Amino acid sequence: GAVVSQHPSWVICKSGTSVKIECRSLDFQATTMFWYRQFPKQSLMLMATSNEGSKATYEQGVEKDKFLINHASLTLSTLTVTSAHPEDSSFYICSANTPSGGLLYNEQFFGPGTRLTVL
Amino acid sequence: DQQVKQNSPSLRVQEGRISILNCDYTNSMFDYFLWYKKYPAEGPTFLISISSIKDKNEDGRFTVFLNKSAKHLSLHIVPSQPGDSAVYFCAASAQGAQKLVFGQGTRLTINP
Repeated sequence: GAVVSQHPSWVICKSGTSVKIECRSLDFQATTMFWYRQFPKQSLMLMATSNEGSKATYEQGVEKDKFLINHASLTLSTLTVTSAHPEDSSFYICSANTPSGGLLYNEQFFGPGTRLTVL
Repeated sequence: DQQVKQNSPSLRVQEGRISILNCDYTNSMFDYFLWYKKYPAEGPTFLISISSIKDKNEDGRFTVFLNKSAKHLSLHIVPSQPGDSAVYFCAASAQGAQKLVFGQGTRLTINP
């Protein structure tokens, strides 16, 4: 259980184009999803928290107009990188929260990631 | 401000021996800690967690120890196996907060 998928797994695009990445919870409903990016040999940096049916909460320094997040259903969140530039090239990972059966804390389960390369 | 720190970027251990990965944190509001394992070009997979009401949690070959006074936790893997070679991230969260704060990761290599 608690499987999260991402699509596509990798994408190469030209500078100035927009790229959409999908994150799906396959066997559970996720009221909250998270988007991270990871640069080579660095930690996962939280970009935004996505709540179903409401606006995403962005971390400090993350441009909300550049990284558009939509959480339209309990199983799908999308991240759109608008007007992508080479510096946006990174590994983007989503995760979804699943309540731990009445316990106080939620577990996050991660998708396999999407490698974005902007030429 | 790095609230969760893994000061060892890499660690090499002989197969069959114990692997000890360390993690320090600075935010005293953190009360739940997790370890994730990550292979290249894949998302992290959850390994084990511990809440601040405990000082030890064990799951098979994996044991996490928490020293709240030192704001330090460690992951013990014993015996280490070649398949354990990966990058290990520790993460922390504060009660009531959903988001996780990750350390920089430690690359563990198990030598056959």
